[in-house]
Amino acid sequence: EAQVTQNPRYLITVTGKKLTVTCSQNMNHEYMSWYRQDPGLGLRQIYYSMNVEVTDKGDVPEGYKVSRKEKRNFPLILESPSPNQTSLYFCASSLQGRAGDTQYFGPGTRLTVL
Amino acid sequence: GESVGLHLPTLSVQEGDNSIINCAYSNSASDYFIWYKQESGKGPQFIIDIRSNMDKRQGQRVTVLLNKTVKHLSLQIAATQPGDSAVYFCAEIVNFGNEKLTFGTGTRLTIIP
Repeated sequence: EAQVTQNPRYLITVTGKKLTVTCSQNMNHEYMSWYRQDPGLGLRQIYYSMNVEVTDKGDVPEGYKVSRKEKRNFPLILESPSPNQTSLYFCASSLQGRAGDTQYFGPGTRLTVL
Repeated sequence: GESVGLHLPTLSVQEGDNSIINCAYSNSASDYFIWYKQESGKGPQFIIDIRSNMDKRQGQRVTVLLNKTVKHLSLQIAATQPGDSAVYFCAEIVNFGNEKLTFGTGTRLTIIP
């Protein structure tokens, strides 16, 4: 089944404790992206990747890192999480990231930073 | 399930009726638009898209209308069903080849049995 998977689905952590949210897709998509979703603000893009070893900032990259060492995986790294990073995070992928390429979203990761 | 938004515009529609969800965009250079559906506890799911050189596109039970003059987009759902209850987002891309989707804040649609 074609899908985007994220782990963990739920995470509660404390300020400053490094964490990684994994994202994997099995559709051989070149484009992958991370979004955060907050009440009243919709989905905002954090980082995206057009292909392996190619990443770029989205609208809200501060406090986040990503890597794209292989096509299927695009982990989101929070080196020193803060409470304002409490949010619902979605990973997405599409064939080439172009208009007309459907973006497929993962199920989401609910992160709480205390 | 996950709480998508606490202060979303809401629309309640009787089962079997048609529903219209509206979206305003601000960038006149936007040239590609998409509607997504997000059910509780799930990620957004593609419904239908439209390019700026069109003003209407139809899918199965859904129609998207684009009015570039007033920068307005709408999603019409015919004969609504309980499974249509969800939050609906419009999203836009400025420039083909630009990979970034810009999402609206969403509308919560509730179907009344």
